[in-house]
Amino acid sequence: QKEVEQNSGPLSVPEGAIASLNCTYSDRGSQSFFWYRQYSGKSPELIMSIYSNGDKEDGRFTAQLNKASQYVSLLIRDSQPSDSATYLCAVRVDSSYKLIFGSGTRLLVRP
Amino acid sequence: EAEVAQSPRYKITEKSQAVAFWCDPISGHATLYWYRQILGQGPELLVQFQDESVVDDSQLPKDRFSAERLKGVDSTLKIQPAELGDSAMYLCASSLGPGGIQETQYFGPGTRLLVL
Repeated sequence: QKEVEQNSGPLSVPEGAIASLNCTYSDRGSQSFFWYRQYSGKSPELIMSIYSNGDKEDGRFTAQLNKASQYVSLLIRDSQPSDSATYLCAVRVDSSYKLIFGSGTRLLVRP
Repeated sequence: EAEVAQSPRYKITEKSQAVAFWCDPISGHATLYWYRQILGQGPELLVQFQDESVVDDSQLPKDRFSAERLKGVDSTLKIQPAELGDSAMYLCASSLGPGGIQETQYFGPGTRLLVL
């Protein structure tokens, strides 16, 4: 069983819509969760981090964490074509400070 | 804004040849990571340094890969000999470290390796 699971997509949404990206993880002891955006051929860029249950908002982005259900999600409001990228979920296994990445979800925002 | 530097950005080599990648972390970052990302997958940690010491190299194929961070600043990742399956993006990241749960990793631009 993979430690961090994401739907590979592509997730296609129209411009202006809300894009919802989901991630589940297997290690109940995980405490740190990160969303990275990766454009094709580029390196991952940190978008958001979240450590506590609930929602965390930053501009058009909202990260949601539910430790009991072991999932973390990223909502992108007012999606723009420039948001088209692969979104990587990463979970820190705190015993080693190691980041475990999912395979990413490809998002396509249609003009 | 401080960034992680990597070179070269692209490398084409033939199998059985040696290749080397260089990384300079953000100034003041004690922790340095090397990841490998195969197309369509997420990054996978190869080796993690805390200052000049290796913290985790459990996923590093030690028969052909080596990594060093001699003065605790910049780092080199070497592959010898390269194999076709080594074609991937090699990413370097750094963080302030050792930190708590809010420790954040920042990635360099990566080196794209193609082995022919």
